[in-house]
Amino acid sequence: EAQVTQNPRYLITVTGKKLTVTCSQNMNHEYMSWYRQDPGLGLRQIYYSMNVEVTDKGDVPEGYKVSRKEKRNFPLILESPSPNQTSLYFCASSLSSGNSYNEQFFGPGTRLTVL
Amino acid sequence: QKEVEQNSGPLSVPEGAIASLNCTYSDRGSQSFFWYRQYSGKSPELIMFIYSNGDKEDGRFTAQLNKASQYVSLLIRDSQPSDSATYLCAVNFLPMNTGFQKLVFGTGTRLLVSP
Repeated sequence: EAQVTQNPRYLITVTGKKLTVTCSQNMNHEYMSWYRQDPGLGLRQIYYSMNVEVTDKGDVPEGYKVSRKEKRNFPLILESPSPNQTSLYFCASSLSSGNSYNEQFFGPGTRLTVL
Repeated sequence: QKEVEQNSGPLSVPEGAIASLNCTYSDRGSQSFFWYRQYSGKSPELIMFIYSNGDKEDGRFTAQLNKASQYVSLLIRDSQPSDSATYLCAVNFLPMNTGFQKLVFGTGTRLLVSP
């Protein structure tokens, strides 16, 4: 089944404890992206990747890191989480970033709470 | 900053009625427009996309695009309680000097369909 998977789905952690949220897609997509979703603010892009070893900042990158060592995986790293990073996180992928007509497929989401 | 505007709602309609959801966008150069449906706590799923001015119909859903007015809408005919969800409008922008497309989401309109 074609899908985007994320782990963990739910995470409660404490301020400053490093964490990684994994994202994997099995559709051979070039483009992958991380979003956070907060009430009243909608989906905001954190980081994106156009292909292996090619990543760039989105609209709200502060406090996050990413890497793209393999085409299928795009982990999101919070080196020192803070309470303002409590949010619902979505990973998404699409066939390519150069074509404006490509649909983005979303993972199931990770609900993160930072105490 | 490229913007996509939606009324947050909730938009309440009775079962069987037509629900009309609206979206405006700021960049005249945008080429593709997407409507996603998101149930509470779930990931967005694509309902429709539209590229050309006019109407595009798919079952009970009709997307309407007016590029001159920078306006895109989604009509849901014969609304059902299962249509109750948040509807996200997404617009593809082409940031200068990047060569790739960027998908920007509105904050969504919450639709409530009462039996």
